[in-house]
Amino acid sequence: DSGVTQTPKHLITATGQRVTLRCSPRSGDLSVYWYQQSLDQGLQFLIHYYNGEERAKGNILERFSAQQFPDLHSELNLSSLELGDSALYFCASSVMDRNTGELFFGEGSRLTVL
Amino acid sequence: AQSVAQPEDQVNVAEGNPLTVKCTYSVSGNPYLFWYVQYPNRGLQFLLKYITGDNLVKGSYGFEAEFNKSQTSFHLKKPSALVSDSALYFCAARHNAGNMLTFGGGTRLMVKP
Repeated sequence: DSGVTQTPKHLITATGQRVTLRCSPRSGDLSVYWYQQSLDQGLQFLIHYYNGEERAKGNILERFSAQQFPDLHSELNLSSLELGDSALYFCASSVMDRNTGELFFGEGSRLTVL
Repeated sequence: AQSVAQPEDQVNVAEGNPLTVKCTYSVSGNPYLFWYVQYPNRGLQFLLKYITGDNLVKGSYGFEAEFNKSQTSFHLKKPSALVSDSALYFCAARHNAGNMLTFGGGTRLMVKP
């Protein structure tokens, strides 16, 4: 158990809908990272938050947004969903801002868009 | 831009034999390099990292990796494979001043009894 909790584990929805994925980092970790894992794109970095502030953006679509709350949990919001958004979304946390190395991954939220 | 390549989608090895999972990277500046493992229906787990120092890095579960700067490679190795090592392995990299960890496409390791 990595200590990172993601909910929901599975989510099935329709095109055009909006969903929110939630992540609770390990106790004491200030950094939260979101990654998307799909068969054709592999593991893609989406966004990084440190102590409530956005620190880096990767290949995140404009339809997607995220935030980190004062209690350090994070939410990834996906809107106007398309079939291609079906993927496994991982949250990872670490203590350091600079991502010196070890990330602790949650078990992921599997999103299926029909 | 940084990138990581894992040239093999799958590696097959017999139990007890040595294994190598290949990784090459392209990172500006000094690279920080990592290996992660993903078991079915689980998140990624950290195996080992290279930051600086010895080119041979030892990690969890008997795995080690060799950093080769001239070949820009960071291959994962284990002297004797176990069936339980069967999983998806990801190499990752970032430059020392950055925040973003870039992952390779992953290599599926199949260890047969």
